[in-house]
Amino acid sequence: LAKTTQPISMDSYEGQEVNITCSHNNIATNDYITWYQQFPSQGPRFIIQGYKTKVTNEVASLFIPADRKSSTLSLPRVSLSDTAVYYCLVGEDSSYKLIFGSGTRLLVRP
Amino acid sequence: DAGVIQSPRHEVTEMGQEVTLRCKPISGHDYLFWYRQTMMRGLELLIYFNNNVPIDDSGMPEDRFSAKMPNASFSNLKIQPSEPRDSAVYFCASSSLMGKTDTQYFGPGTRLTVL
Repeated sequence: LAKTTQPISMDSYEGQEVNITCSHNNIATNDYITWYQQFPSQGPRFIIQGYKTKVTNEVASLFIPADRKSSTLSLPRVSLSDTAVYYCLVGEDSSYKLIFGSGTRLLVRP
Repeated sequence: DAGVIQSPRHEVTEMGQEVTLRCKPISGHDYLFWYRQTMMRGLELLIYFNNNVPIDDSGMPEDRFSAKMPNASFSNLKIQPSEPRDSAVYFCASSSLMGKTDTQYFGPGTRLTVL
């Protein structure tokens, strides 16, 4: 499974857009890119998944360049409740063996 | 649906005791996963089942750990005997192959403390 690298932590303020970039240089042809969010004392929660270009849902956008060696999770206008750990995962959709890295701790300040 | 249900939410036990953690997956999901999360090691996959059959248990740390899924609506993870280093939050998750979505739904976790 492809290894991912993402910043350990990020700080932001309410109302700002936050972009978290994940590197996955060894991504395979069949791999998808998936982001999970984890609040303190809760299990991780699926945010968004993509294969190429751009994916948008009600929570976030995911930007994937043509070479797919990185991806960027974009959170528009964050609020205090977006303070959480964000995990970038890469793997085949059929593997079901998700490997969680250390994630990015996002702190949103008032 | 109530989501993935885990019990107990908190467990405190003494070293050497048997510990049983329980999980009820989302109805209709045919995959079930057990994870362990610690500050030092992060979130680790221990074992997962498909249609009640264990598929990959390579993450199970040692023979003291065992997991079963007797039916589609229940799984348990046992630690016997427990040790202080087993203290962690244990998550259960379930999923269903629908198209190309690789989404797992996590339960609230069981916080285990072994004294």
